[in-house]
Amino acid sequence: ETGVTQTPRHLVMGMTNKKSLKCEQHLGHNAMYWYKQSAKKPLELMFVYSLEERVENNSVPSRFSPECPNSSHLFLHLHTLQPEDSALYLCASSHSQRYAGELFFGEGSRLTVL
Amino acid sequence: QKEVEQNSGPLSVPEGAIASLNCTYSDRGSQSFFWYRQYSGKSPELIMSIYSNGDKEDGRFTAQLNKASQYVSLLIRDSQPSDSATYLCASGDDKIIFGKGTRLHILP
Repeated sequence: ETGVTQTPRHLVMGMTNKKSLKCEQHLGHNAMYWYKQSAKKPLELMFVYSLEERVENNSVPSRFSPECPNSSHLFLHLHTLQPEDSALYLCASSHSQRYAGELFFGEGSRLTVL
Repeated sequence: QKEVEQNSGPLSVPEGAIASLNCTYSDRGSQSFFWYRQYSGKSPELIMSIYSNGDKEDGRFTAQLNKASQYVSLLIRDSQPSDSATYLCASGDDKIIFGKGTRLHILP
């Protein structure tokens, strides 16, 4: 496998469920990111990990909880979400945080909260 | 609040013509600028980065940067139907700010 892979591609959950999004990068990059993409809004940076350490938490509600066990894997744990959290969640990686604009994105996880 | 502004479009351009996409940014300290292409239902893909004033060419794509005017543009020469997509402008250094994107439609 090459690039950045995300699973699941689609997820429907109720407001009381707990689920996780998974991201894996095969590029040897040192920085990984979670972005949220909603209709008619710019891409919103949620979290940044550099060398497995969280370096950015962009005022994201605590119902979103990231985890980075190593430089190749990134998770986003979801619990007690709201319908307005329905969006496309994109994982990305870059060579390092210094190259934060040269992002390689996964295909995204389309989340629907009922 | 740092922002990147783009016209949402759609911008319709005949096949073979030059498509011109524009972007302005508010953070005067930004040193890095990027153009991403996003096809419908797909994730964004980096197509150009530019760091210095002036033009940067890559195949049919030319990025132009004017830091004094806080303006970035992307020109696509000999537009093809396959260029139809949403183009995202982004700026920043360790923290990247994206615009909402401009939808481009190339008319066959």
